[in-house]
Amino acid sequence: KAGVTQTPRYLIKTRGQQVTLSCSPISGHRSVSWYQQTPGQGLQFLFEYFSETQRNKGNFPGRFSGRQFSNSRSEMNVSTLELGDSALYLCASSLAGGAPYEQYFGPGTRLTVT
Amino acid sequence: QKEVEQNSGPLSVPEGAIASLNCTYSDRGSQSFFWYRQYSGKSPELIMSIYSNGDKEDGRFTAQLNKASQYVSLLIRDSQPSDSATYLCAVSGAGSYQLTFGKGTKLSVIP
Repeated sequence: KAGVTQTPRYLIKTRGQQVTLSCSPISGHRSVSWYQQTPGQGLQFLFEYFSETQRNKGNFPGRFSGRQFSNSRSEMNVSTLELGDSALYLCASSLAGGAPYEQYFGPGTRLTVT
Repeated sequence: QKEVEQNSGPLSVPEGAIASLNCTYSDRGSQSFFWYRQYSGKSPELIMSIYSNGDKEDGRFTAQLNKASQYVSLLIRDSQPSDSATYLCAVSGAGSYQLTFGKGTKLSVIP
């Protein structure tokens, strides 16, 4: 079974621009979560989607948003990029529908903001 | 504020030894506990999940959970140089897919 895929893998943007990242979950998985990983803060939860609905949201500003499509694919958007948004953005998928709650990560998108 | 604490390391063990990684969490309502391995420049890889008190073994890995002490650990037996990585402890609440991660423990297995 193919794993979680994320595109693009690398991205360089300028402050003030916006960016959209894409995630395709493992086939059959219906929950998609997004995380930001930085050397200083570690892995932090952004949001989780299930059946096209955001079920949980982490403590990030409104510039960070996401959505999920009917085929469970998900996108996240960051508007008005800041230097501090430079990070590895990770998508994780889960079967959902109750236990088990294991999440499987994609390879990530490395975003650099200059 | 839910917190997950891990010793940052580095933890160095000789090849063939047992590596012991520890994690404590602050939220008593936590129900699901995970260990991820992350190689440098790669994404986290799930290696163990545990939901109830006690031990869970999978090959060379054993996860241990003590909810009363709010403590979860990972033992790696017969450590190999390929086990050298950062190990992340992650915790979530009942029915939740929101993982709270520790900062990770860097393990170095010396040949």
